Amino acid sequence: KAGVTQTPRYLIKTRGQQVTLSCSPISGHRSVSWYQQTPGQGLQFLFEYFSETQRNKGNFPGRFSGRQFSNSRSEMNVSTLELGDSALYLCASSQGRGRTGELFFGEGSRLTVL
Amino acid sequence: AQTVTQSQPEMSVQEAETVTLSCTYDTSESDYYLFWYKQPPSRQMILVIRQEAYKQQNATENRFSVNFQKAAKSFSLKISDSQLGDAAMYFCAYRDYTGANSKLTFGKGITLSVRP
Repeated sequence: KAGVTQTPRYLIKTRGQQVTLSCSPISGHRSVSWYQQTPGQGLQFLFEYFSETQRNKGNFPGRFSGRQFSNSRSEMNVSTLELGDSALYLCASSQGRGRTGELFFGEGSRLTVL
Repeated sequence: AQTVTQSQPEMSVQEAETVTLSCTYDTSESDYYLFWYKQPPSRQMILVIRQEAYKQQNATENRFSVNFQKAAKSFSLKISDSQLGDAAMYFCAYRDYTGANSKLTFGKGITLSVRP
């Protein structure tokens, strides 16, 4: 079974630009979560989508948004990029319900904002 | 809000020895999950071990075991017979038990190095 796939793996943007990151979950998984990882703040929860609906959201400004498609693939978008948005963005998928609970992570998208 | 604390930023262990990584958490919930995740230098986060709060028995996965103290809100990871491949960042994580919530709250992580 293929794992969680994130694209692109690396990207460089300048301040003020926007970026879209993509995540393809494990087949059959309906929940996709996004996390931001930085050396200073560690891993912080951005949002979670389940069956195309956002069902949980972290404490990030409105510049961070996401969506999920009918095939469970998800995208997150960051508009008006700031230097502080430089981070590793991790996507995780899970079945999304029940006690199984395990999240499977992708390798991440490394965003550098200049 | 739930919090997870890993107070040791770095640890080192000799190959074949045993090491214990500490984690404490705070929650007002009675039913939840606790996890240890490993993030090697290649960056993909891998689940090491999971503990459900309602289970009194400590979880074990091969060389990895936990010491779960619910009253003390403590959740430490013991790695026995350490191997070079165990070198990585280790994150302790908490998750509420609800069927409609997959959010993980992570600690800051600990960098484990293994000396040959």
